[in-house]
Amino acid sequence: DGGITQSPKYLFRKEGQNVTLSCEQNLNHDAMYWYRQDPGQGLRLIYYSQIVNDFQKGDIAEGYSVSREKKESFPLTVTSAQKNPTAFYLCASSGRGDYSEKLFFGSGTQLSVL
Amino acid sequence: DAKTTQPNSMESNEEEPVHLPCNHSTISGTDYIHWYRQLPSQGPEYVIHGLTSNVNNRMASLAIAEDRKSSTLILHRATLRDAAVYYCILRATLRGGGSNYKLTFGKGTLLTVNP
Repeated sequence: DGGITQSPKYLFRKEGQNVTLSCEQNLNHDAMYWYRQDPGQGLRLIYYSQIVNDFQKGDIAEGYSVSREKKESFPLTVTSAQKNPTAFYLCASSGRGDYSEKLFFGSGTQLSVL
Repeated sequence: DAKTTQPNSMESNEEEPVHLPCNHSTISGTDYIHWYRQLPSQGPEYVIHGLTSNVNNRMASLAIAEDRKSSTLILHRATLRDAAVYYCILRATLRGGGSNYKLTFGKGTLLTVNP
């Protein structure tokens, strides 16, 4: 089945540690996104990528980094500079160029600080 | 970017229709209206989208005001599985064509369905 796979489902980070969240899609989508969701809040955009080897900052990019070396993959690294990383992280993808195209979301990764 | 405004919460009874409103008074002529819903501890899922005309699919109907400044998501017969947070977002068009990828989700409307 086509879709988006996020791993791991739960992740724990120690103080000062970098952690990487995985996002893989087999939908042949050009665009991919990372969102952060805090309890009871909406989704806030961290980074997005319209095409391989290109990505842009979203609204809350500080303390995060991404790469887009392959069309299928868009990993997110939460660096030690992110002082409040505990949140639910969602990855999404969509086709490119058609503003009616819908987003497909993964099932999310819950990140907690030890 | 154009913003949307939704009520924080709504309540419905099972098997009754539900009308979820969304205001988007600054919508541009080529912005598409999208609706998504999010079940607890899951990623959002697409529900429906439209531009000007009312739209129907197997999940819901979307009624768009004639001036496009508001829209309503209609669930014809609510079930317990429809209890979720519903998000209304605008998908903008960039100058020169193409889609705006910087999509903003607000807090949405928490729908509670009573048995």
